[in-house]
Amino acid sequence: AQSVSQHNHHVILSEAASLELGCNYSYGGTVNLFWYVQYPGQHLQLLLKYFSGDPLVKGIKGFEAEFIKSKFSFNLRKPSVQWSDTAEYFCAVNGYNTNAGKSTFGDGTTLTVKP
Amino acid sequence: GAVVSQHPSRVICKSGTSVKIECRSLDFQATTMFWYRQFPKQSLMLMATSNEGSKATYEQGVEKDKFLINHASLTLSTLTVTSAHPEDSSFYICSAGRVGNQPQHFGDGTRLSIL
Repeated sequence: AQSVSQHNHHVILSEAASLELGCNYSYGGTVNLFWYVQYPGQHLQLLLKYFSGDPLVKGIKGFEAEFIKSKFSFNLRKPSVQWSDTAEYFCAVNGYNTNAGKSTFGDGTTLTVKP
Repeated sequence: GAVVSQHPSRVICKSGTSVKIECRSLDFQATTMFWYRQFPKQSLMLMATSNEGSKATYEQGVEKDKFLINHASLTLSTLTVTSAHPEDSSFYICSAGRVGNQPQHFGDGTRLSIL
């Protein structure tokens, strides 16, 4: 079975601070990895994804994530956060051979950026 | 723009009522759709996989007689919460993806409140 662990429950930062949200997964095979964002009152949106190739993935709005296979990690980073980045962030994984989209989600991290 | 449409966005009804939620993929055919449930301050939990033309696959602990899923066409899946009770109050979200290892597109979700 696959599982996802997000270490930070709630992160509070000031604008322009750097961000790193932790995500570790458990799965015995090849995985696809995702970060989704849910802004207040809105639906889930894809931030970025990793399927294969370069382990450093760049997504929308200046976010990036690095897949470190040896650590089973896929941490999300942003060099300088903005107030508009305040949202809930979810890491998700699905096994390469499973039905596309049958994803397991982490518990989420609430990011609050103070202006 | 939205590629997955979910309707209704909010439902408030009395205990004992059955509620139907629709999920439509707007610009692609989806042989498989997924239904998730999200409790406040918690992550998304996969309830079931909706398969076009066949029975849905339910996750452990999800009552299939309680949560009826019908996937009658390649663009529509419905979730019916039968004889809903207050404990069924939650945020229900559907997702669909194109074939292959593609990330999911999520509907806007349905907030169900049972009085």
